[in-house]
Amino acid sequence: GQNIDQPTEMTATEGAIVQINCTYQTSGFNGLFWYQQHAGEAPTFLSYNVLDGLEEKGRFSSFLSRSKGYSYLLLKELQMKDSASYLCAASDSNYQLIWGAGTKLIIKP
Amino acid sequence: GAVVSQHPSWVICKSGTSVKIECRSLDFQATTMFWYRQFPKQSLMLMATSNEGSKATYEQGVEKDKFLINHASLTLSTLTVTSAHPEDSSFYICSARDILAGPTDTQYFGPGTRLTVL
Repeated sequence: GQNIDQPTEMTATEGAIVQINCTYQTSGFNGLFWYQQHAGEAPTFLSYNVLDGLEEKGRFSSFLSRSKGYSYLLLKELQMKDSASYLCAASDSNYQLIWGAGTKLIIKP
Repeated sequence: GAVVSQHPSWVICKSGTSVKIECRSLDFQATTMFWYRQFPKQSLMLMATSNEGSKATYEQGVEKDKFLINHASLTLSTLTVTSAHPEDSSFYICSARDILAGPTDTQYFGPGTRLTVL
């Protein structure tokens, strides 16, 4: 079956760094997406990885290892506004997105 | 760019009535739009994939006669929840993919519609 695993909840301190991990098992693979979702709002796109390695975009970076079925989202210099759920989604052989349940990130002052 | 709108943003209706939700891509054309449902503290659940000019493809367990989808143009898809019941209360979100992009390209989400059925 197809499956995405990510931690349910994480807590971090303002100004610190946090890494949110995601492992995936899909029928075929056409890339890994990360989305941010604030409570009561729709998801917003953060990153897309299809090749192994690290993609950096400002304070956010995303890493992919296809051989390990593993990705992480790295958030630096955490701000209170980064408190949100972070959704990992893998694109399968039919280009269908398989969604993780999301990781709720709580930022403390 | 890549803005998707949804209307209405929230709706309260009586049990047994039908509700129509519109999803529009404002600054790009989308051959494919997706409809999701999200219950509190749960992940996104894909309901159906909507292709312009053809019938929608529904996910297993989603009643196509209850959730009517129409994708009449490259910028508009509608979801009609027919004979709504309280268990249909949820957050309904659409997303769209740019016609010029490949199938792996990013889905851009509308702001969502919160449906409450009394």
